[in-house]
Amino acid sequence: LAKTTQPISMDSYEGQEVNITCSHNNIATNDYITWYQQFPSQGPRFIIQGYKTKVTNEVASLFIPADRKSSTLSLPRVSLSDTAVYYCLVGPRDYGGSQGNLIFGKGTKLSVKP
Amino acid sequence: EADIYQTPRYLVIGTGKKITLECSQTMGHDKMYWYQQDPGMELHLIHYSYGVNSTEKGDLSSESTVSRIRTEHFPLTLESARPSHTSQYLCASKRGYEQYFGPGTRLTVT
Repeated sequence: LAKTTQPISMDSYEGQEVNITCSHNNIATNDYITWYQQFPSQGPRFIIQGYKTKVTNEVASLFIPADRKSSTLSLPRVSLSDTAVYYCLVGPRDYGGSQGNLIFGKGTKLSVKP
Repeated sequence: EADIYQTPRYLVIGTGKKITLECSQTMGHDKMYWYQQDPGMELHLIHYSYGVNSTEKGDLSSESTVSRIRTEHFPLTLESARPSHTSQYLCASKRGYEQYFGPGTRLTVT
């Protein structure tokens, strides 16, 4: 499974757009990029998944360049409630079994200030 | 919203006691997982199951054991709790590419 590298922490202010970049130089052809969000004392929650170009949902956008060696999670107009840890994971879409399990890593701790 | 439940939410117990952390899901998912997470630290996979009577150890060595007799139920047992087992334990189930996590059990062993 591809190893990912993301910043340990980021600070932002309410109303700003936040972009969290994840590097995954060894991404395989059949790997997808998935992001999870974790609030303190809760389990992680799925945010978004993509394979290439751009994916957008009601919560975030995911930008993936053509070489797929990195990806950027974009959170528009963050609020205090977006303060959380964000995990970037890379692996086969239906991971598990012989394909291994996704590794959550340390994630990026986003702090949103008033 | 995913239906995955963990009990108890909080547990304080003395050293040497046997404990079972319960995890249930009503979504019929075959794949289930147990993670261990210390405050502010990363999640470590300790056990997983791909279906009934299927269990495997995860990436982090753990003294706990699991069982999967029914699809919806994936309990974790510690035969003899120690202070080093103090942590948060998160259960998850998976459909397709998305994992659904329970609220977690925060275990403190005194």
